[in-house]
Amino acid sequence: KQEVTQIPAALSVPEGENLVLNCSFTDSAIYNLQWFRQDPGKGLTSLLLIQSSQREQTSGRLNASLDKSSGRSTLYIAASQPGDSATYLCAVSAGANSKLTFGKGITLSVRP
Amino acid sequence: NAGVTQTPKFQVLKTGQSMTLQCAQDMNHEYMSWYRQDPGMGLRLIHYSVGAGITDQGEVPNGYNVSRSTTEDFPLRLLSAAPSQTSVYFCASSYSLPGHNSPLHFGNGTRLTVT
Repeated sequence: KQEVTQIPAALSVPEGENLVLNCSFTDSAIYNLQWFRQDPGKGLTSLLLIQSSQREQTSGRLNASLDKSSGRSTLYIAASQPGDSATYLCAVSAGANSKLTFGKGITLSVRP
Repeated sequence: NAGVTQTPKFQVLKTGQSMTLQCAQDMNHEYMSWYRQDPGMGLRLIHYSVGAGITDQGEVPNGYNVSRSTTEDFPLRLLSAAPSQTSVYFCASSYSLPGHNSPLHFGNGTRLTVT
């Protein structure tokens, strides 16, 4: 059974810092990996999707990498801002009907 | 563009009552799904649909029913509410199966409390 782990559960950094959020998964037979952002009381918003054949994807200040063989992905946030404060979740798509398995998320707080 | 719309936003039920959570999308997405989000448990898949007339069970389907009579709508029915079904419920959709590299779009959720 696929398991997705995100450690630590919470992170607090000062504004302007570059930071890396980690995601690990147990079964490397995935179709893709997605990173989501969730603001309090809201649904999830897709940030980046990395196909299994890709190594990374970039969108603005965000860069996500994928190392399928080692079961790891990282989300790099450059020059963090208070508006980046949210919970970040990763999810992998695998198996029958390519169902998504989610990590529990990392709650990020960026201090002004 | 409304995206994925869920109603109601909040609901309180008594044990044994039934209700339907509504979900509609206007993006002509084939894939729709229901998740529940609980503290410490993360998001868990309840039911999903790969197209009109086709539904299947996810990880935690017991106590819930779904149907997909149109592409746009995917209601979730609680048959006889139990306190263990207290949770935040999210509907999500994508153009095709998640494995076909279609990003998932989420609604804003329904917060359900069963007393």
